[in-house]
Amino acid sequence: DTAVSQTPKYLVTQMGNDKSIKCEQNLGHDTMYWYKQDSKKFLKIMFSYNNKELIINETVPNRFSPKSPDKAHLNLHINSLELGDSAVYFCASRRTGTAFNYGYTFGSGTRLTVV
Amino acid sequence: DQQVKQNSPSLSVQEGRISILNCDYTNSMFDYFLWYKKYPAEGPTFLISISSIKDKNEDGRFTVFLNKSAKHLSLHIVPSQPGDSAVYFCAASGAGNQFYFGTGTSLTVIP
Repeated sequence: DTAVSQTPKYLVTQMGNDKSIKCEQNLGHDTMYWYKQDSKKFLKIMFSYNNKELIINETVPNRFSPKSPDKAHLNLHINSLELGDSAVYFCASRRTGTAFNYGYTFGSGTRLTVV
Repeated sequence: DQQVKQNSPSLSVQEGRISILNCDYTNSMFDYFLWYKKYPAEGPTFLISISSIKDKNEDGRFTVFLNKSAKHLSLHIVPSQPGDSAVYFCAASGAGNQFYFGTGTSLTVIP
């Protein structure tokens, strides 16, 4: 069973479209993240949710909207897609309340290509 | 199933000594490997990478070794400095361009 699963793995779409990426974890973790991997392979945090509450909201366009229906899911909706949104998006989760690195688990990534 | 494993959640090293962080993988189709470094409250930053055609890649104090037959890679930091204290993630990818991350090793360099 995949611990952190993202769907879809690949997404090719036209500029201006609206799309969603889903993330689910079955580890019982209470915190989930979305990261964007840029062209230099830097993983930039976008959002973090703890028990369905937004705790980190970095400077990203408001076209990006996360939604956490429960603590096992964190979805990312993107409106009016632009060419610059093309990247790999990673979901991750961890259990808080312990050492800050404990239980970090990443999904395998969603490669978004905007054409 | 965890395809990339970092079995040591933490490591403490004296300043000036060598830090060795280990990573094992199970998928023989992986052909590209990366190490990330993460400070608290920040996203991971890319540190060094190696492709499967090499067995060693060096960048300053950081060297990554790849042993394909053992499906093992390691990151060596020499000499270790207090600023190296962070969490280190290894990641691997194959033909599908999917990345698989280890769960991280927290390195503490003691002054």
